[in-house]
Amino acid sequence: GNSVTQMEGPVTLSEEAFLTINCTYTATGYPSLFWYVQYPGEGLQLLLKATKADDKGSNKGFEATYRKETTSFHLEKGSVQVSDSAVYFCALRGGSYIPTFGRGTSLIVHP
Amino acid sequence: NAGVTQTPKFQVLKTGQSMTLQCAQDMNHNSMYWYRQDPGMGLRLIYYSASEGTTDKGEVPNGYNVSRLNKREFSLRLESAAPSQTSVYFCASSVHFNEQFFGPGTRLTVL
Repeated sequence: GNSVTQMEGPVTLSEEAFLTINCTYTATGYPSLFWYVQYPGEGLQLLLKATKADDKGSNKGFEATYRKETTSFHLEKGSVQVSDSAVYFCALRGGSYIPTFGRGTSLIVHP
Repeated sequence: NAGVTQTPKFQVLKTGQSMTLQCAQDMNHNSMYWYRQDPGMGLRLIYYSASEGTTDKGEVPNGYNVSRLNKREFSLRLESAAPSQTSVYFCASSVHFNEQFFGPGTRLTVL
């Protein structure tokens, strides 16, 4: 079946540091890939997505590139802010159409 | 647009009590979902509804029932609550299994 593996957190950074959160997946066919963000006390919201190989999703300074050869969709941001502190979820939608989520990675950004 | 709304926001039950969690969306989405979120476990799919009139089991359906009342509304029922069902419950909706829109969650405690 489909699966998503994310790096375990928490990831702790200082403001303006570079962020990478690793995400790899297992799926048959050509899944769509997503990153969601969850701020404290809220539901998840879509951060970015990519629907085919080599697509780059971007939003609010975050980027992720769909790499089929390495089955990866790593999330990056060049300069994080305190307001980016949240839990980040990598997810895919594969041929079965049922969404599959990773376990989430907590990001803590210190001033 | 309100997006996805959930009621109640908080609930405390005693073991054996029943309750229904309500979810509604105003985005004309076909698909709706119920998840539970527990620390360290990420999101786990309880039930989903691909379209009005259909419902299917997800990863952890035991102890729950659902009703897709119409295209807008998808309810989750706990017939006899157990402490293991203490969790945060999220409803989500999407257009044909694409990116999902989440509600704010219901925080349920079963004593």
